[in-house]
Amino acid sequence: AQTVTQSQPEMSVQEAETVTLSCTYDTSENNYYLFWYKQPPSRQMILVIRQEAYKQQNATENRFSVNFQKAAKSFSLKISDSQLGDTAMYFCAFRGAGGTSYGKLTFGQGTILTVHP
Amino acid sequence: KAGVTQTPRYLIKTRGQQVTLSCSPISGHRSVSWYQQTPGQGLQFLFEYFSETQRNKGNFPGRFSGRQFSNSRSEMNVSTLELGDSALYLCASSLALGMGTDTQYFGPGTRLTVL
Repeated sequence: AQTVTQSQPEMSVQEAETVTLSCTYDTSENNYYLFWYKQPPSRQMILVIRQEAYKQQNATENRFSVNFQKAAKSFSLKISDSQLGDTAMYFCAFRGAGGTSYGKLTFGQGTILTVHP
Repeated sequence: KAGVTQTPRYLIKTRGQQVTLSCSPISGHRSVSWYQQTPGQGLQFLFEYFSETQRNKGNFPGRFSGRQFSNSRSEMNVSTLELGDSALYLCASSLALGMGTDTQYFGPGTRLTVL
């Protein structure tokens, strides 16, 4: 069974600064997908970024980028130029590529990120 | 394009009752997944439906069930409610047409409180 671990329950950052959220996972699969979702106080889960394991290039979406280290099973999220609207709970999620993973995301416990003005 | 919608948004029930939650996926999406979110257990996968068939199921008791209709809308049902069923229930949809189309987009959730 896959597991996802987020070792930072809470993080804080000043507006305009950079912050990195950590995530490690455990799997025996070679092909899979990794995601970061954010959940603001409204509780709406919003996709931040996605990474396919077969792609060596790290995914980037505007101010959000990842550092994907497949051998180390590490998938960290870097937020540059932090904004007040980035305040949210951030979840790292894993999805296998096999049939037993149909529609199933395995989530970490989340990291609460607070951006201070 | 409209996002994933869930109804109702809030629900209060008493122990022993049953409840049905509804989820309408993004137009064209064929897969619907359900998750339970609680402070203690975090986000846990309940089940996934694709073309009216349950393809995957999490580790929940048989009191939790679901179905999907031909228009991809999905419902989940919880019978004989227990206090521990109080949670935010999230629905997510995806195209599920093959590799690279499985990104899940979430609805706003249904907050269920069991008294």
